[in-house]
Amino acid sequence: EDQVTQSPEALRLQEGESSSLNCSYTVSGLRGLFWYRQDPGKGPEFLFTLYSAGEEKEKERLKATLTKKESFLHITAPKPEDSATYLCAVQVRVSGSARQLTFGSGTQLTVLP
Amino acid sequence: DGGITQSPKYLFRKEGQNVTLSCEQNLNHDAMYWYRQDPGQGLRLIYYSQIVNDFQKGDIAEGYSVSREKKESFPLTVTSAQKNPTAFYLCASSVPGRANYGYTFGSGTRLTVV
Repeated sequence: EDQVTQSPEALRLQEGESSSLNCSYTVSGLRGLFWYRQDPGKGPEFLFTLYSAGEEKEKERLKATLTKKESFLHITAPKPEDSATYLCAVQVRVSGSARQLTFGSGTQLTVLP
Repeated sequence: DGGITQSPKYLFRKEGQNVTLSCEQNLNHDAMYWYRQDPGQGLRLIYYSQIVNDFQKGDIAEGYSVSREKKESFPLTVTSAQKNPTAFYLCASSVPGRANYGYTFGSGTRLTVV
């Protein structure tokens, strides 16, 4: 069974205190790993897609990396506006036009001023 | 701007009542999805549809029904058979042949049983 586990469940940082979020997965046939940001009461917003081990993507203070078993979302010098829940998802099947994603339960990040 | 519109934003259901959540997209995406989100849990797939007049059950389809009569629309009905419907419901769509973005999500509907 495909599984995606995110840790920690919640993380509180001081503004400027860098850290990393983890997404570990056990799937057969990874076709892509996705990171999303979700603000309270809103739908997830796309951040990154990673396809192969060793790949890295960056966007402002965020950097995502991928190994064969896990992905990290590194947050450098975070600001309060980075506070959100960060979701990881893996794509393991492509059936016709449907691309099925399996989601982790998310890491709730709070950045204190 | 293209996107996915979910309505209503908040919905209250009485015991034994069926309610329908709306999802409309103008992205010209073929595939559409319904997910349920509960606190502390990941998104769980309810139903998905690849083309008009076709849909497939996801992991937690019991107590839900869908239709796909138009490419743009994928409404979800929460029936009285769903015993614990209070949750945040998310609709999404995806582009065939372009996996880079995974899904595009709507802003969600929060359903509460009263």
